[in-house]
Amino acid sequence: GAVVSQHPSRVICKSGTSVKIECRSLDFQATTMFWYRQFPKKSLMLMATSNEGSKATYEQGVEKDKFLINHASLTLSTLTVTSAHPEDSSFYICSAREYSSGANVLTFGAGSRLTVL
Amino acid sequence: QKEVEQNSGPLSVPEGAIASLNCTYSDRVSQSFFWYRQYSGKSPELIMSIYSNGDKEDGRFTAQLNKASQYVSLLIRDSQPSDSATYLCAVIDVNQAGTALIFGKGTTLSVSS
Repeated sequence: GAVVSQHPSRVICKSGTSVKIECRSLDFQATTMFWYRQFPKKSLMLMATSNEGSKATYEQGVEKDKFLINHASLTLSTLTVTSAHPEDSSFYICSAREYSSGANVLTFGAGSRLTVL
Repeated sequence: QKEVEQNSGPLSVPEGAIASLNCTYSDRVSQSFFWYRQYSGKSPELIMSIYSNGDKEDGRFTAQLNKASQYVSLLIRDSQPSDSATYLCAVIDVNQAGTALIFGKGTTLSVSS
């Protein structure tokens, strides 16, 4: 089945630094990837839709200058949290859709837990 | 944006019982519905998808969809302690950027042995 790899799984950084999270589709091409954020005991909130070769579309309330998304190839999307602050500490999860099976199903990465000190 | 509502629970059932999880959604034109299971600290995993009114069964899981009532449910028969997790209801949201999943807040299920 479709596999989405996400790295790093955990990252701790100091306030003010930037952190990059990678999301790769391992055995399929993903023209569209989605980035979600999940705070403790809360649901997944869609942050942005990442389209290969074009600018990401951000959901209302998500700062595009703070959460930089790049989707330079059909198998890789990156999320960079710039000038991270403690309130950015969260579980970030990417997902992608594999169309060849004909099913409209998203495959999720394992998630990246960011802790900003 | 579409809204997906779930009772956060916790829902507690004894081992072997039927667990019933419910979800309502705001958008009448929604066509695709999903149930995901999420263990603590892990990413969601797909349990069921349902697109048509009625019931869809897969092993111990049955999804039920009623588009007129904008209601989708998940039944878990013969509940096991390993079923203890948060269950997320999700609806497809079609926008200009693509088709993303919009999630409810999730219902926490606890199955006691």
